[in-house]
Amino acid sequence: EPEVTQTPSHQVTQMGQEVILRCVPISNHLYFYWYRQILGQKVEFLVSFYNNEISEKSEIFDDQFSVERPDGSNFTLKIRSTKLEDSAMYFCASSDYGYTFGSGTRLTVV
Amino acid sequence: QQQVKQSPQSLIVQKGGIPIINCAYENTAFDYFPWYQQFPGKGPALLIAIRPDVSEKKEGRFTISFNKSAKQFSLHIMDSQPGDSATYFCAAGPGTGNQFYFGTGTSLTVIP
Repeated sequence: EPEVTQTPSHQVTQMGQEVILRCVPISNHLYFYWYRQILGQKVEFLVSFYNNEISEKSEIFDDQFSVERPDGSNFTLKIRSTKLEDSAMYFCASSDYGYTFGSGTRLTVV
Repeated sequence: QQQVKQSPQSLIVQKGGIPIINCAYENTAFDYFPWYQQFPGKGPALLIAIRPDVSEKKEGRFTISFNKSAKQFSLHIMDSQPGDSATYFCAAGPGTGNQFYFGTGTSLTVIP
């Protein structure tokens, strides 16, 4: 069964550093998303991406966040200057009609 | 405004019992209602989903009941097993390309 692949599985970074989280969506999907889940809390929408541009974003997705599809397969989330409160699981998803989530990247900001 | 409300927060049942998790949504434009199962350290995995043109959908031991007029939907797990112990999230949204709104999750424990 096709999968959404995320790397790395765990990233530890110092506060103020930039991180890039990577995702390989399912190849024939056209819509891509990033969600995050703070430990023990619900899954929160960050951004959706279609046709090489952001189609929707939440209040969480402020100027320190950016997304990119640098080539035909990867979809990245960049956090420019990480804060302690950015520590969370970050999930990539892609869809044609239903969503498929990746296994997530656990980001720990210290 | 919370778009999707989920209850209960946690649930403990005996093996073979039928846990029921409930969700209510606000936006009548929503037309896709999935349930996700999440194990610790893993991403949410699609379990079953329903559209508002039907009132019930079954897949194996999992059933969604949908009440469009009440804007509510629920997940029933028949003959629950210890391996079903996980966190379950409902979600709702207007379909592909738009964000889904997730419920706050229900932690299910099935006791052997």
